Amino acid sequence: QSVLTQPPSASGTPGQRVTISCSGATSDMEIYTVDWYQLLPGTAPKLLIFYNNQRPSGVPDRFSGSKSGTSASLVISGLRSEDEAEYYCALWDDNPYNYVFGTGTRVTVL
Amino acid sequence: QLQVQESGPGLVRPSETLSLTCAVSGVAIRGETNFWGWIRQSPAKGMEFIGTIGYSGETYYKPSLRSRVTMSINTSSNHFSLTLSSVTAADTAMYYCATTDTDLTGDSAFCIWGQGTMVTVSS
Repeated sequence: QSVLTQPPSASGTPGQRVTISCSGATSDMEIYTVDWYQLLPGTAPKLLIFYNNQRPSGVPDRFSGSKSGTSASLVISGLRSEDEAEYYCALWDDNPYNYVFGTGTRVTVL
Repeated sequence: QLQVQESGPGLVRPSETLSLTCAVSGVAIRGETNFWGWIRQSPAKGMEFIGTIGYSGETYYKPSLRSRVTMSINTSSNHFSLTLSSVTAADTAMYYCATTDTDLTGDSAFCIWGQGTMVTVSS
């Protein structure tokens, strides 16, 4: 089963660029696409990125995703105070079939 | 506009069965463009997939929870449900229902989420 490892925390000042990594322990990430979610306290989780780098309608373009080999990244460009939240990567693993979430990263805006 | 909303008891006793319902509005639950899922979040475990159910009733459960989980769809009331048996304190979490939508974001990512319902397992 896939294990997706994220740094527990990341931070930046307003306007800075923050990068969150998501590393897979197996080759599953090379095969399957990665999604990214934002969790703000008291609100419904929000899909930020799907299919590695696609943004749903309404997600600002300062959120971008990429994937290379067994690692994926979420980049927040032009950090804003409202970006202070938890971020999770996720992908579908087929052996066994399961939607696996990363360990989560808490982003703090200094 | 597609929306989902969870409901259920906030407190469940250890060893009993947790039952949650997710009301769907804005689309027929039997539509072929959606898979319906349950995800939970806790400080100890982070985000954890529980399972998903398709429009024809096919289910996929997290392997470690499979022996305790049942999901079902009710087309007449347009909702889907989760039952989790033999609960312990480790099942204490915020429970979310969510859906994929092929027309919006493909068939893998959960693009629409409910606000969540907090479930505490305690005697």
